[in-house]
Amino acid sequence: GAVVSQHPSRVICKSGTSVKIECRSLDFQATTMFWYRQFPKKSLMLMATSNEGSKATYEQGVEKDKFLINHASLTLSTLTVTSAHPEDSSFYICSATYAGTDHTDTQYFGPGTRLTVL
Amino acid sequence: DAKTTQPNSMESNEEEPVHLPCNHSTISGTDYIHWYRQLPSQGPEYVIHGLTSNVNNRMASLAIAEDRKSSTLILHRATLRDAAVYYCINFGNEKLTFGTGTRLTIIP
Repeated sequence: GAVVSQHPSRVICKSGTSVKIECRSLDFQATTMFWYRQFPKKSLMLMATSNEGSKATYEQGVEKDKFLINHASLTLSTLTVTSAHPEDSSFYICSATYAGTDHTDTQYFGPGTRLTVL
Repeated sequence: DAKTTQPNSMESNEEEPVHLPCNHSTISGTDYIHWYRQLPSQGPEYVIHGLTSNVNNRMASLAIAEDRKSSTLILHRATLRDAAVYYCINFGNEKLTFGTGTRLTIIP
């Protein structure tokens, strides 16, 4: 149980184009979804937190107009990288959580999307 | 967020137990200790979590010090598939803050 999928797994795009990444919780309803970014040889950095039907909360230094997050349902969140540039090339990972009985909010991660901007 | 300290890397022989240490001396009383691991080119995977008592599940055991300032993740019998970066995280404020973790190498 608690499976999270991401689509696409890999995308290559030209500089200046926009890319949409989908994150789905397949067998549970996610109260909250998170988006992370990971550069090579580095740890995961939280970009934003989103709750269904609400505006996302962005971490300091993350441009909300560049990284658009939509959380339209309890099983789907999307991240759109607008006007992508080579420095946006990274591994983007989403996670989802639901309030378990022990209130520890374990996060279940997707497999990641590798974005390469040429 | 409470900071954790882990060794950068560790090695273990296949089929032997592995003890991965973590220091979290500034943990608050209500923060859970979570462990995740990340295999190459994959998203992190939940391993185990605990608050005060030692915990066991099918993947691992978590031994938590009485003062909660440190914990140890125990893999009872390492396999090659356990080679990954292991992250120890104090879960608080509804966010996971990933440090650099411990890169575990399994020697066949």
